[in-house]
Amino acid sequence: DQQVKQNSPSLSVQEGRISILNCDYTNSMFDYFLWYKKYPAEGPTFLISISSIKDKNEDGRFTVFLNKSAKHLSLHIVPSQPGDSAVYFCAASGRSEKLVFGKGTKLTVNP
Amino acid sequence: KAGVTQTPRYLIKTRGQQVTLSCSPISGHRSVSWYQQTPGQGLQFLFEYFSETQRNKGNFPGRFSGRQFSNSRSEMNVSTLELGDSALYLCASSLLAGATETQYFGPGTRLLVL
Repeated sequence: DQQVKQNSPSLSVQEGRISILNCDYTNSMFDYFLWYKKYPAEGPTFLISISSIKDKNEDGRFTVFLNKSAKHLSLHIVPSQPGDSAVYFCAASGRSEKLVFGKGTKLTVNP
Repeated sequence: KAGVTQTPRYLIKTRGQQVTLSCSPISGHRSVSWYQQTPGQGLQFLFEYFSETQRNKGNFPGRFSGRQFSNSRSEMNVSTLELGDSALYLCASSLLAGATETQYFGPGTRLLVL
């Protein structure tokens, strides 16, 4: 039973445009959500997080939106740059404090 | 500040053998978590150690074990290896324990079981 789902295995966008990566979760007890970015041959790198008491968190070009009623979060990257090409993982945690990851979405930003 | 280091980076073993992977956290970090990454299952939490104590555990069989030393370095051990244990094993460290603490990942150890 996959509690965190990233339904798009891949996404391709043009440089300068917006990238929107989506994530759905099933466990209503999750109260903290994160996005990680992973380049090949490297470990994941923390990007941005959001607590369930908020519906938006922004950090530079990255914004995460949380829709609790829909159990959905999204990561917006504006403007997208070729260096953003990587695999993006959505993760969630709740009272157990275990991080549950999605399977990732591979983003390709074309120059 | 040096990042999280993992050794070895690559490993080939045969079924039935056992393996020990090592993780050195960022200096000053006291929590170490381990994850298994496979193409089919994505990143799955194995366990978390804090101050030499296992604080949390994922849904893996008892063949997977770990420990943490007084200098916060951690090792994980997999006994009686199976083909399905082939994966990238990632270690992450954080200053304190808990999922809301920012975790810094190492590059991983890629294990191939033949």
